[in-house]
Amino acid sequence: GENVEQHPSTLSVQEGDSAVIKCTYSDSASNYFPWYKQELGKGPQLIIDIRSNVGEKKDQRIAVTLNKTAKHFSLHITETQPEDSAVYFCAEGGAAGNKLTFGGGTRVLVKP
Amino acid sequence: GAVVSQHPSWVICKSGTSVKIECRSLDFQATTMFWYRQFPKQSLMLMATSNEGSKATYEQGVEKDKFLINHASLTLSTLTVTSAHPEDSSFYICSNGGGTTGARETQYFGPGTRLLVL
Repeated sequence: GENVEQHPSTLSVQEGDSAVIKCTYSDSASNYFPWYKQELGKGPQLIIDIRSNVGEKKDQRIAVTLNKTAKHFSLHITETQPEDSAVYFCAEGGAAGNKLTFGGGTRVLVKP
Repeated sequence: GAVVSQHPSWVICKSGTSVKIECRSLDFQATTMFWYRQFPKQSLMLMATSNEGSKATYEQGVEKDKFLINHASLTLSTLTVTSAHPEDSSFYICSNGGGTTGARETQYFGPGTRLLVL
């Protein structure tokens, strides 16, 4: 079945620095890759997504890159702020209807 | 984007009782909704796909007689945890997927329902 590996599991950065989270997937038929931010006690919030027909997408301080050949995609957060502290999940979909398979999550801590 | 609500936001119940959780798609007519379960410090695990007007599709290992799903309208799906036990204590989250115009990749999640079974 589908499998998504996410690294690192925890990430501590200084405010203003960049944070990078990487995910790899196994199903070559996957074509949709969203990223979610989850704050404590809340549901996941979609922050950015990318489809397989593009290699990079950017939205202000957040960017996602996709390498379909290598089957990996990454989330880049620049100029991190304390409010970026949360758990981030990558996911992949498209191969099995519109189901999503999630990575294990990355706990990001931005130190002021 | 689409907005999804859940009710209740948290519930405490005694072992052996049943608990119903509601998931509403507020501005999108969802023919498909998804139910996830999340244990502390873990990822989201898909439990089932809720299909409007038909039976839900359950993931492997999820007991369909224990987790009853009803999707009677395009804006409401319910998950009932029957005969709840302490091991059912978890964070239950729903999302909306496909709409009346077909499957939609982007899923928006509800705020979640925290269930504690004593």
